[in-house]
Amino acid sequence: DGGITQSPKYLFRKEGQNVTLSCEQNLNHDAMYWYRQDPGQGLRLIYYSQIVNDFQKGDIAEGYSVSREKKESFPLTVTSAQKNPTAFYLCASSGDTQYFGPGTRLTVL
Amino acid sequence: QKEVEQDPGPLSVPEGAIVSLNCTYSNSAFQYFMWYRQYSRKGPELLMYTYSSGNKEDGRFTAQVDKSSKYISLFIRDSQPSDSATYLCAMSLPAGRRALTFGSGTRLQVQP
Repeated sequence: DGGITQSPKYLFRKEGQNVTLSCEQNLNHDAMYWYRQDPGQGLRLIYYSQIVNDFQKGDIAEGYSVSREKKESFPLTVTSAQKNPTAFYLCASSGDTQYFGPGTRLTVL
Repeated sequence: QKEVEQDPGPLSVPEGAIVSLNCTYSNSAFQYFMWYRQYSRKGPELLMYTYSSGNKEDGRFTAQVDKSSKYISLFIRDSQPSDSATYLCAMSLPAGRRALTFGSGTRLQVQP
């Protein structure tokens, strides 16, 4: 059963904490992406990776970090430097077209 | 000015109506155009993908691209209550950064 999985589905963060969101794909795609979605808004690009061990900042990378040690995995860390982290986070991967995971909803307590 | 403009709606139509959803864009370098459907609290799912001007049809859905006007549309025929969702247009460059640039999404409600 091919696809993209994200975990956890819901995540709560206290002020000053770093949290890591997981993204795994078994579609054999080289490229992976992280987007952020706020209520009533489209998706904004945080980071993307076109190949293992390489990644680039997107439009809103401040306060986030990523790694790409394996083709299948692209975890996103939301650091304490991100001042407004409450949002819906979506991971995607692409071959010819881009497919999305189910998302992680992050809430700051 | 945003690179991609999309009317946020909400758009409410009766079951069976033809729905027209639209986006305009400013970057003439965009070459690939997509429409995604997103149900509440779910990830977007790809509906239509096209890379040329003209029409592309898939069942009840037709995607239209007019590159000269920088305008794309999605038409839904015989709309159903299950079509109620947010529809996102997206587009990308032909090379280099292939990440998508999204419109803000149009919320559609189909009334039974």
